[in-house]
Amino acid sequence: NAGVTQTPKFRILKIGQSMTLQCTQDMNHNYMYWYRQDPGMGLKLIYYSVGAGITDKGEVPNGYNVSRSTTEDFPLRLELAAPSQTSVYFCASSRQGTGELFFGEGSRLTVL
Amino acid sequence: AQSVTQLDSQVPVFEEAPVELRCNYSSSVSVYLFWYVQYPNQGLQLLLKYLSGSTLVESINGFEAEFNKSQTSFHLRKPSVHISDTAEYFCAVSSGGYNKLIFGAGTRLAVHP
Repeated sequence: NAGVTQTPKFRILKIGQSMTLQCTQDMNHNYMYWYRQDPGMGLKLIYYSVGAGITDKGEVPNGYNVSRSTTEDFPLRLELAAPSQTSVYFCASSRQGTGELFFGEGSRLTVL
Repeated sequence: AQSVTQLDSQVPVFEEAPVELRCNYSSSVSVYLFWYVQYPNQGLQLLLKYLSGSTLVESINGFEAEFNKSQTSFHLRKPSVHISDTAEYFCAVSSGGYNKLIFGAGTRLAVHP
């Protein structure tokens, strides 16, 4: 059982470039999330989805976009990379009513 | 708005000593509370959770946390730590449904031999 899989694990971008962080889960979970983790700041919610075709903003959505065309996949798009987006990004999924999130191993992004 | 405060950014402790990691939350509604653990270069894993019922909850590896509504706290304790408990620990509170979580800043537990 793979759980939540994120790719790539590491990426270096130049300012202004675009990229997509991929996330897929094989647990048939309705809910999926993208968080970013910065040192001493904990995790901040970027976007979340409660099912295919339904997405909503979290605490820090600016500079990001998401889509949810299938239950399994929840990609995160950065359109114009900025140094402030240097962070570790975590995708997570959850089943309705349980309160427990299952996290991927993270994607470390550096914008230079 | 809900928030979570972890009172210690780092906690050094010797092996086999007891430890307490402190967490306070603010919320105007009923809450669900969680502790997650993050080992180096890994994602977060659920350690334990309080949803309802008994205010004392336990994990399979000897940690426990007590929900204290009057003090709005959910401190994490272990009577005797091991080297393998070295990790970062995050307290979290549910926010606005859909299992969305607000996380504290984290406490880095360093267990020394």
